[in-house]
Amino acid sequence: DAMVIQNPRYQVTQFGKPVTLSCSQTLNHNVMYWYQQKSSQAPKLLFHYYDKDFNNEADTPDNFQSRRPNTSFCFLDIRSPGLGDAAMYLCATSRDPPPSSYEQYFGPGTRLTVT
Amino acid sequence: AQSVAQPEDQVNVAEGNPLTVKCTYSVSGNPYLFWYVQYPNRGLQFLLKYITGDNLVKGSYGFEAEFNKSQTSFHLKKPSALVSDSALYFCAGATGTASKLTFGTGTRLQVTL
Repeated sequence: DAMVIQNPRYQVTQFGKPVTLSCSQTLNHNVMYWYQQKSSQAPKLLFHYYDKDFNNEADTPDNFQSRRPNTSFCFLDIRSPGLGDAAMYLCATSRDPPPSSYEQYFGPGTRLTVT
Repeated sequence: AQSVAQPEDQVNVAEGNPLTVKCTYSVSGNPYLFWYVQYPNRGLQFLLKYITGDNLVKGSYGFEAEFNKSQTSFHLKKPSALVSDSALYFCAGATGTASKLTFGTGTRLQVTL
């Protein structure tokens, strides 16, 4: 089945220790997104890639970076995690970026704990 | 600016009763509207969408939503709730001028026996 896969599902890192979260998709979608979700709040978009074009949200901290080496994979790098970065990180894909009639498909998420 | 509002933090309903989860939107232009469901420790799952055409949209798991332009609403409905429908529901929207999907704050649906 075509899907969005996130690894690991749970990640524990130490304060200030760099961490990378990964996402892969078999949908062959053009767009990949990274969202941060805290405590059952609405997902907050961090950035997205439309093919190789990187689109950063204005309020995304510099501490968050992303890489998309090919169509299928996208990585979220947190250079120096703080306690406030503990959250669920959701990867999503869509055929085209908003404004679009195409829905986004979400992975199961990676829950990040910072100790 | 566009926005999506979910006025209820939680909705409680007995199994077998009809359920409604409310969503209103404020956008310029024609909206694209979506409903997603999130189960504990899982990602969001797409339920249904309104793009154009019939105001009543049918989606997964027996859910449907009615687009009402005059009331700027897109309420999620189901004729008969199941305990397994208990989850967090997000309404989301986008328009021709937006560069990202705007989510509502979410409504927790609790279905009890």
